[in-house]
Amino acid sequence: EVLLVESGGGLVQPGGSLRLSCTASGFAFSTYAVSWVRQAPGKGLELVSFISAGGAITYSADSVKGRFTISRDNSRNTLHLQMNSLRAEDTALYYCAKDPGGSTIAYYFDSWGQGTLVTVSS
Amino acid sequence: SYKLTQPPAVSVSPGQTASITCSGDKSEHKYISWYQQRPGQSPVLVIFQDNKRPSGIPERFSGSNSGSTATLTISGTQAMDEADYYCQAWDSRTSYVFGAGTKVTVL
Repeated sequence: EVLLVESGGGLVQPGGSLRLSCTASGFAFSTYAVSWVRQAPGKGLELVSFISAGGAITYSADSVKGRFTISRDNSRNTLHLQMNSLRAEDTALYYCAKDPGGSTIAYYFDSWGQGTLVTVSS
Repeated sequence: SYKLTQPPAVSVSPGQTASITCSGDKSEHKYISWYQQRPGQSPVLVIFQDNKRPSGIPERFSGSNSGSTATLTISGTQAMDEADYYCQAWDSRTSYVFGAGTKVTVL
C-alpha cells in the first residue's frame, strides 16, 4: 500500500520559516516524481512545487518562487519543503502527492497524503 | 499561465446524472484528470488521461474530452458522491494546473 505521511506543519509568525517533510512507503520512492500541493482554508488545490524522481528537475509556483525550496532524500524515502519568508497567504493544508509515471512523468497524481497544516499568523 | 474553468456548483437528484465541465483556455488538447475530495479528506483520483478509471473507482464515473472542454459524468449519482471535484491538466510552463473546483450537491 502506498503511504505518504506529511509532518512539520504548525503555527509560525509572518517572516518565519518551516520545513515540511513527507515520508513515503509502499513503493520505490526514488523512481517517482513527487510534489507539494496546498489548499488554503475553503479554497481549491494549488501546486506549490514539483521535483523529478532523481531530483534534477524542480518547479515552483510563482507565488512561492525564491521563498520555498523543494528537495528529496531518496536514501530516506523523504520529500522536503523548506519554507522561508512565510506570509499569511501561505496558510494552508500542504499535501504530498505522487505522480505514477516513474521514469516518464504521467502528469497527474495517483496518491496523496493526509496533509500537514501550516498557519502563518502573528 | 494556463487556466482551467469549472462551474462552481452542480446539483443533482439521487439516481440522476451529474455532468461537470472543465474548459481550458487553449484549443490544444491536454489530458485531463479528475479528483474527488470529500469534506475533511484528501483528494482521490477518479479519472486520468481523459477517460481512464483507476482501480477501485466505480463505473458510474466516466470522463470525456473534446476540443477544449472535458467532462466528468457521474451516472446514477449516490449520496456518497457529494463532494468537491477538481479537474487537472499539465502545462509545460506551469506544471500541474487545477481548476477551481465544482461542488456537487446531491439533493
